[in-house]
Amino acid sequence: QSVLTQPPSVSAAPGQKVIISCSGSSSNIGIQPASWYQHLPGTAPKLLIYDNDKRPSGIPDRFSGSRSGTSATLGITGLQTGDEADYYCLAWDESLTAGVFGGGTKLTVL
Amino acid sequence: QVQLVESGGGVVQPGRSLRLSCAASGFTFSSHTMHWVRQAPGKGLEWVAVIKYDGSSRFQADSVKGRFTISRDDSKTSVYLYMNSLRPEDTAVYYCARQGAGLDVWGQGTTVTVSS
Repeated sequence: QSVLTQPPSVSAAPGQKVIISCSGSSSNIGIQPASWYQHLPGTAPKLLIYDNDKRPSGIPDRFSGSRSGTSATLGITGLQTGDEADYYCLAWDESLTAGVFGGGTKLTVL
Repeated sequence: QVQLVESGGGVVQPGRSLRLSCAASGFTFSSHTMHWVRQAPGKGLEWVAVIKYDGSSRFQADSVKGRFTISRDDSKTSVYLYMNSLRPEDTAVYYCARQGAGLDVWGQGTTVTVSS
């Protein structure tokens, strides 16, 4: 069981919007920033969001992040077939003194 | 360009040791905290270990504590993962990653297979 909880899968049609949640606790997301990664099999993970809601240069504004309490959220609008991938949240856990990933969410663009 | 290249993976018997290397280039290595992350077959990403930019602190996941050690050599702009007492469940692709704003640079990974 992952310390951070994500839905195993989400799906939506091209052009639509999805939201992926990441539920944590007061020892991780509640006090440490979350980041989000896109991962395609056989490739290096790619940073999408850092510090809860900031996008690195080169990441389109279709991707957004937010945090509320002990949960973080990744939003993707204008879905494209190329967005099909696994998405992971990550935060530092102060109690564990370790990084913790969510279990990952597989996005299917129908 | 900014790059991380892992090496050292392979097939190893349970109980044996292996050292992974991650060579960095294109940025000021000594200014960055570095991480190792792995992905076992059919599983999600798992955070493994971190070493602070100045080497002053390092932490590992409970699953590898006491068996894996992370270290760095700024003169070689490299970070290492020493893996001892390997178990079949350590079989995974191992990635090194740079901590900038988030884990902003990743290597392509090196595969470790623990099997008799």
